[in-house]
Amino acid sequence: QVRLQQSGPGLVQPSQTLALTCVISGDSVSSSSGAWTWVRLSPSRGLEWLGMTYYRSKWYHDYGPSVEGRIIITPDTSKNQFSLHLNSVTPVDSAVYFCARVEDTVFDYWGQGTLVTVSS
Amino acid sequence: SYDLTQTLSVSVAPGQTARLTCDGPNIEKKVVHWYQQKPGQAPALVMHGIRSRPSGIPERFSGSNSGNSATLTISGAQGEDEAVYYCQVWDSGAALFGGGTTVTVL
Repeated sequence: QVRLQQSGPGLVQPSQTLALTCVISGDSVSSSSGAWTWVRLSPSRGLEWLGMTYYRSKWYHDYGPSVEGRIIITPDTSKNQFSLHLNSVTPVDSAVYFCARVEDTVFDYWGQGTLVTVSS
Repeated sequence: SYDLTQTLSVSVAPGQTARLTCDGPNIEKKVVHWYQQKPGQAPALVMHGIRSRPSGIPERFSGSNSGNSATLTISGAQGEDEAVYYCQVWDSGAALFGGGTTVTVL
């Protein structure tokens, strides 16, 4: 059974960097079939895919157009986890953030979600 | 960019059938997945494509996809089916979600 455990602060100052981590158990961040993603949910934008990292003989990263240029998703093989960094945040980035695994195009396992508020 | 449009809300009496639609240009060419989200929980997969239900998902959930519209059908809706339902596809390497349909069973 795959389990994803998220951690990170719930309050971020405007213009700062939002940083969240997702620890994987029951699978490997270096999986040759899975992809490790971040999704957020907000009242104004609904569910929004932010990006993913995956390993296919080398590491790949794909990012969503709404956050491209501000986002980095990094794997950590030593801790079997992956992280989200979103910089230059504004109140519009306030949302519940989820990490998730994608397998065969499906988001099949999700983290518990982290409510992040951008406010001073 | 590719957009997915879902009806904002659907109400259904217990035991009746609810049909949730997800519209997009030529969506029949895409594989559409459906997720159920209840308050305070992460989304959960209820339909993988048009035929596959994850283990534990009741048979009353079924999917179809034709033309410009994909449909999730809940046959014999139960109170526990009250939730927001999202459709999802991949387009040009990016995951896209519909805006979500709130299902009320009353």
